Amino acid sequence: EIVMTQSPATLSVSPGERATLSCRASQSVSSNLAWYQQKPGQAPRLLIYGASTRATGIPARFSGSGSGTEFTLTISSLQSEDFAVYYCQQYNNWPCFGQGTKLEIK
Amino acid sequence: QVQLVQSGAEVKKPGASVKVSCKASGYTFTSYGISWVRQAPGQGLEWMGWISAYNGNTNYAQKLQGRVTMTTDTSTSTAYMELRSLRSDDTAVYYCARVLVDGGTVTYFDYWGQGTLVTVSS
Repeated sequence: EIVMTQSPATLSVSPGERATLSCRASQSVSSNLAWYQQKPGQAPRLLIYGASTRATGIPARFSGSGSGTEFTLTISSLQSEDFAVYYCQQYNNWPCFGQGTKLEIK
Repeated sequence: QVQLVQSGAEVKKPGASVKVSCKASGYTFTSYGISWVRQAPGQGLEWMGWISAYNGNTNYAQKLQGRVTMTTDTSTSTAYMELRSLRSDDTAVYYCARVLVDGGTVTYFDYWGQGTLVTVSS
């Protein structure tokens, strides 16, 4: 069973600054990784798939990188609407999610 | 536009069953799969399993094997998830999500339903 570990659990960043979120897999998942954003009371929204491909309608300030076991989601200039919880999900095997990173306003 | 609309909130007693529906529109239902993902209060996302809307093939998360059944009705483009022998730790928001299947491998979830709160309480 593949275990996904996200860090940090909580990240405090000021609007306009860059945020870098990490996701590590317990074994290689190639580039079979997706990122989701979830706001309170809402369903998750797909941001990135294939480790680095933005989903339809996702702003260019969101970017994904990595392969194998180490992945990063970068938000280049934080907007107020970006403060949320972010999850990574591998699909190299049966899907599983990381535990999430809460991005909060500093 | 793609939409997944789920049935309303449910309150069940321990030991009972619940069946949640997910009606799809805006795309060819049988060209994708449907996965179910749940989220306990204040917790993360847990994948429960998936069903092919094309041929009805299913795979369930090991911890739910024997208690969960996923089905589809292609005539109404609706997916269903039934969970039996409910326990208090099954209290969660249950989401359906459209899933792309690549060569038999479940991939990522590009559209989600609004969620259905299932509360298990005596």
